[in-house]
Amino acid sequence: DQQVKQNSPSLSVQEGRISILNCDYTNSMFDYFLWYKKYPAEGPTFLISISSIKDKNEDGRFTVFLNKSAKHLSLHIVPSQPGDSAVYFCAASARSGGSNYKLTFGKGTLLTVNP
Amino acid sequence: DGGITQSPKYLFRKEGQNVTLSCEQNLNHDAMYWYRQDPGQGLRLIYYSQIVNDFQKGDIAEGYSVSREKKESFPLTVTSAQKNPTAFYLCASSARTDSQAQPQHFGDGTRLSIL
Repeated sequence: DQQVKQNSPSLSVQEGRISILNCDYTNSMFDYFLWYKKYPAEGPTFLISISSIKDKNEDGRFTVFLNKSAKHLSLHIVPSQPGDSAVYFCAASARSGGSNYKLTFGKGTLLTVNP
Repeated sequence: DGGITQSPKYLFRKEGQNVTLSCEQNLNHDAMYWYRQDPGQGLRLIYYSQIVNDFQKGDIAEGYSVSREKKESFPLTVTSAQKNPTAFYLCASSARTDSQAQPQHFGDGTRLSIL
């Protein structure tokens, strides 16, 4: 049972345009969401996060939007650059016994930004 | 530079053999994690540790074992009981908090293959 879903395995956009990566979740206990970027043969790198008490968080070219009622979040990259080409993972966390948080990851979306 | 070091980068295992993957961090993080990534899949949690001398099973702990004798180190042993060990293994760490999730920082991974 996949609790975090990234339904688009891949996305291709033109340099300078907007990239929109989508993520849906089913567990209403999730209260914190993160996006990670991963290049081949490397570990994921944290990109941006959002708490469930907010609906938007912005950091430079990256903005994450959260729609709690729809259990949907999206990552917007504007403008897209060739160096943004990577796999993007959506992750969600819920308090899991005690004080620490486990992350549940989606399967990832491969973004290709064409020059 | 602070970070997470995983070694070796590539590892080969013979049938019936146990192998240990190393993970060291100098970020002074309390929590450490082990994930497995298979092609086209998200990251799946194997084991995690919130503090020294304590660890919990993740979603796919069967066939694996860990220890947490030092804050900086969280080695993962892939035992002969793990029937499908070929995968990309990622170690991560995060600051422990009682308030909300802290981003996990990842190493560059170890790719394990069966001879």
